[in-house]
Amino acid sequence: DGGITQSPKYLFRKEGQNVTLSCEQNLNHDAMYWYRQDPGQGLRLIYYSQIVNDFQKGDIAEGYSVSREKKESFPLTVTSAQKNPTAFYLCASSIAGLSNQPQHFGDGTRLSIL
Amino acid sequence: AQKVTQAQTEISVVEKEDVTLDCVYETRDTTYYLFWYKQPPSGELVFLIRRNSFDEQNEISGRYSWNFQKSTSSFNFTITASQVVDSAVYFCALSELDTNRDDKIIFGKGTRLHILP
Repeated sequence: DGGITQSPKYLFRKEGQNVTLSCEQNLNHDAMYWYRQDPGQGLRLIYYSQIVNDFQKGDIAEGYSVSREKKESFPLTVTSAQKNPTAFYLCASSIAGLSNQPQHFGDGTRLSIL
Repeated sequence: AQKVTQAQTEISVVEKEDVTLDCVYETRDTTYYLFWYKQPPSGELVFLIRRNSFDEQNEISGRYSWNFQKSTSSFNFTITASQVVDSAVYFCALSELDTNRDDKIIFGKGTRLHILP
């Protein structure tokens, strides 16, 4: 079945450590997105990529980095510069990098601090 | 400014009751899109509907219906004869198409719906 796979489902980070969240899609979608979800805050856009080898900062990019070397993959690194990383992270994709297209979401990764 | 307000943080209804989730939006553009997504306890958001700003026809899909009213900038979602499986967080979202700005979707903060058996 086509879809988006996020791994791991749960992740723990130690102080000063970088961690990478994986996102893979087999929908042949051009655009991919990373959102952060905090309780009562809705979804906030971290980074998005409309095409391979290109990505743009979203509203809360500080402390995060991404890469888009392959169409299917859009990993997110939470760096030690992100002082409050505990949240639920959702990856999404859409057919084209236009905001009028519905987005398909993965199951999310829940990141916690040790 | 682009904004989506879901004033109802949490709603609880008894199974088989009808329930309406409110969504009010703000936008500068005449061309925009509105969405509803469902987030069940498993975590992934599931796309429910998209409506463009030029199509004010209400939509019905089974027990789900949507009422789009440009005059009040609202895009409300009604579940008829609710079921326990409808329990989830529901997000309303807005996007604008403007070649001078990055295209983004803005999500509301969501409404958590509890359907009590």
